[in-house]
Amino acid sequence: DGGITQSPKYLFRKEGQNVTLSCEQNLNHDAMYWYRQDPGQGLRLIYYSQIVNDFQKGDIAEGYSVSREKKESFPLTVTSAQKNPTAFYLCASSPQGRGYGYTFGSGTRLTVV
Amino acid sequence: AQKVTQAQTEISVVEKEDVTLDCVYETRDTTYYLFWYKQPPSGELVFLIRRNSFDEQNEISGRYSWNFQKSTSSFNFTITASQVVDSAVYFCGTGGANSKLTFGKGITLSVRP
Repeated sequence: DGGITQSPKYLFRKEGQNVTLSCEQNLNHDAMYWYRQDPGQGLRLIYYSQIVNDFQKGDIAEGYSVSREKKESFPLTVTSAQKNPTAFYLCASSPQGRGYGYTFGSGTRLTVV
Repeated sequence: AQKVTQAQTEISVVEKEDVTLDCVYETRDTTYYLFWYKQPPSGELVFLIRRNSFDEQNEISGRYSWNFQKSTSSFNFTITASQVVDSAVYFCGTGGANSKLTFGKGITLSVRP
């Protein structure tokens, strides 16, 4: 079955360490997205990519980095520069054009201690 | 810029009650799309419905119905005869044909037995 796989589901890291969240899709979608979810804040866009080897900053990109070397993969690195990294992270993908909605992954809950 | 306002933050109903979730959007796109997603406790966002801006026909699907009114920029969602399994966070979103989606902050619906 086609879908988006995010791993791991839960991640614990020490403060000051970089951590990379994985997102893989087999839907042949061109566009991929990373959102952060905090209680009461809704979904906030971190980065998005509409084509391989290209990506754009979203509303809260500071302290994060991404790469898009393959169509299927869009990993997110939470760097030590991110002041408050503990959150629920959601990856999504969509076809390009015609306002198609997103398919979401099941999320990664990151806790920094 | 796009904006989605979900003024209700939490709603609690007793099973079998009807409940309406409100959504007001702002966009400068002449062609745009509206979405509702459901986020159960497992965390993954599940697509419920997509509507384009030139189709104001309202839709009913089982216990779910949607009321799109362009004149008031609203896209409300009603659950008839609610069930405990409807308990979730519901997100409304909007986007243009090739643009990223903007989501509201979500409404937490609790359905009590």
